[in-house]
Amino acid sequence: GDSVTQMEGPVTLSEEAFLTINCTYTATGYPSLFWYVQYPGEGLQLLLKATKADDKGSNKGFEATYRKETTSFHLEKGSVQVSDSAVYFCALSASGTYKYIFGTGTRLKVLA
Amino acid sequence: SQTIHQWPATLVQPVGSPLSLECTVEGTSNPNLYWYRQAAGRGLQLLFYSVGIGQISSEVPQNLSASRPQDRQFILSSKKLLLSDSGFYLCAWNGYQSTDTQYFGPGTRLTVL
Repeated sequence: GDSVTQMEGPVTLSEEAFLTINCTYTATGYPSLFWYVQYPGEGLQLLLKATKADDKGSNKGFEATYRKETTSFHLEKGSVQVSDSAVYFCALSASGTYKYIFGTGTRLKVLA
Repeated sequence: SQTIHQWPATLVQPVGSPLSLECTVEGTSNPNLYWYRQAAGRGLQLLFYSVGIGQISSEVPQNLSASRPQDRQFILSSKKLLLSDSGFYLCAWNGYQSTDTQYFGPGTRLTVL
């Protein structure tokens, strides 16, 4: 079945460091891919998405490129801030299904 | 614009008591609706989803049930809560296209004692 694999956390970085959170997926067909962010005590918010191969999603300095050849959708940010501390979820939505498949989440902690 | 509401925000219940969590969506019609549970420090577990009034699909057999009495209302229930039901319950909705973003409510923190 479809699945999403994220790197294990927690990830601890200093402010202004470069961030990469790895995400790979398994799916039949051509899924849409998403990154969500969850701040403490809140629901998930969409961070960015890409709906076809080679698309790049971007928002708030975060970027991710839909790589079909490596089945990956890695999240990157050039310079993280303390306010980026949160849990990040990679997810996919496959055409022809109603379900969204989420990774287990990666906790990011940014130190001042 | 669309908004999604959940209540209550926080709930503390004794083991064996009933449960009712409510979710409503505004600003859209015929949404797909979902209930997820997130245990402490864990990922999301899909519990139920619904593609229309009265249509419920269950993902995990357990003592929870869901109902959709109206187009934009989704209810999660239990007749008798277990300790293992504690967690953060999230309601979500999206449109019919697989490219659609899934939007989440603010969540309900349930503690079963």
